[in-house]
Amino acid sequence: DAKTTQPPSMDCAEGRAANLPCNHSTISGNEYVYWYRQIHSQGPQYIIHGLKNNETNEMASLIITEDRKSSTLILPHATLRDTAVYYCIVSYSSNTGKLIFGQGTTLQVKP
Amino acid sequence: EPEVTQTPSHQVTQMGQEVILRCVPISNHLYFYWYRQILGQKVEFLVSFYNNEISEKSEIFDDQFSVERPDGSNFTLKIRSTKLEDSAMYFCASSSPGQIEYSNQPQHFGDGTRLSIL
Repeated sequence: DAKTTQPPSMDCAEGRAANLPCNHSTISGNEYVYWYRQIHSQGPQYIIHGLKNNETNEMASLIITEDRKSSTLILPHATLRDTAVYYCIVSYSSNTGKLIFGQGTTLQVKP
Repeated sequence: EPEVTQTPSHQVTQMGQEVILRCVPISNHLYFYWYRQILGQKVEFLVSFYNNEISEKSEIFDDQFSVERPDGSNFTLKIRSTKLEDSAMYFCASSSPGQIEYSNQPQHFGDGTRLSIL
């Protein structure tokens, strides 16, 4: 089973920031938090990941609480093309580790 | 930007037939994966592969499934005798080695092969 909890759906107005929460209260010290999204049953698209510190890239920002039990993915200026299912996944260390997908959050960006 | 490519995009096969799904991972990646997604359900891990060996496999990945890296560029998933319940989207993914232990490079996915079993 997925080790994360996400709201099933969220709406966001186009041009506004989308803040997607994730709870991962059982995360262990060497597990990373990954965010992926899936648009129209295409392959999951990597967004961002982090261990302890907040992270930012060209797509999004990731805010991880100090106790690491929850995180928030921020899309700073959501567009209609950001409408997708967003998955928060915790994964142990290395590249040999599987990703366990939950149901994710369906984000609907509205004009 | 480099990407994972999968062929064919859609495969239709009669039940009981063998099928091979093909993937070309990102060229410098060393770790390879297959996942599947039955329509309307979650993405499920099948198998991971490194150094010409299976690293980990799920309960779904039974004796009917096999993976192979036949040359330096392709990574294949074979289903020997397909069943109706094998109908799904199959996603290939790849990742590069981390720079340090636990550094975790992300997995990058292809757009999948839709497998339809009749």
